[in-house]
Amino acid sequence: DVKVTQSSRYLVKRTGEKVFLECVQDMDHENMFWYRQDPGLGLRLIYFSYDVKMKEKGDIPEGYSVSREKKERFSLILESASTNQTSMYLCASSLPLPFTGELFFGEGSRLTVL
Amino acid sequence: KNEVEQSPQNLTAQEGEFITINCSYSVGISALHWLQQHPGGGIVSLFMLSSGKKKHGRLIATINIQEKHSSLHITASHPRDSAVYICAVRSRGNTGNQFYFGTGTSLTVIP
Repeated sequence: DVKVTQSSRYLVKRTGEKVFLECVQDMDHENMFWYRQDPGLGLRLIYFSYDVKMKEKGDIPEGYSVSREKKERFSLILESASTNQTSMYLCASSLPLPFTGELFFGEGSRLTVL
Repeated sequence: KNEVEQSPQNLTAQEGEFITINCSYSVGISALHWLQQHPGGGIVSLFMLSSGKKKHGRLIATINIQEKHSSLHITASHPRDSAVYICAVRSRGNTGNQFYFGTGTSLTVIP
């Protein structure tokens, strides 16, 4: 069974803390994504990676960075967490076109910043 | 400007009812996805389609490429169908790696 695994389901952090969200996929996918999901706003792309060490900014990259040192792992880093980063964070992976473009999601990480 | 629009935003149905959720998009796409999200967060893919119609159990998805419109139908709805249904499209752009998402339709099926 294919899988995208996010390291933490629930996190509570304090303002100013550094936060690491880890995502691992076992499907050998080139593409990996980090989204945040907020009520009424849907999923918004933070960063996207199409290969090891390659990344592109999404729609809302401010306050975030990412790391992709290995193909299966894509990490999202909040250098100094703020209360407006309280959200649900979802990692996803897919093959690049022209291969089948099904998108596989992790279970999500719900982050609360106090 | 939203590339993907869904309707309705919220939907309550009695068990057994036939349900339709609509999705319109404004970009050129390589594929359209219907996703399901249960309380607790995890999102699963229900359908990926680029033309015509697909059926899986009680779920049917259709797409009209010319009209840039898709529908998700649930026949004989059941309380376990209660979830948020999200329409997403994969763009046909430079790399085809951009996905656009609707804001979701929250479905509640009452026994």
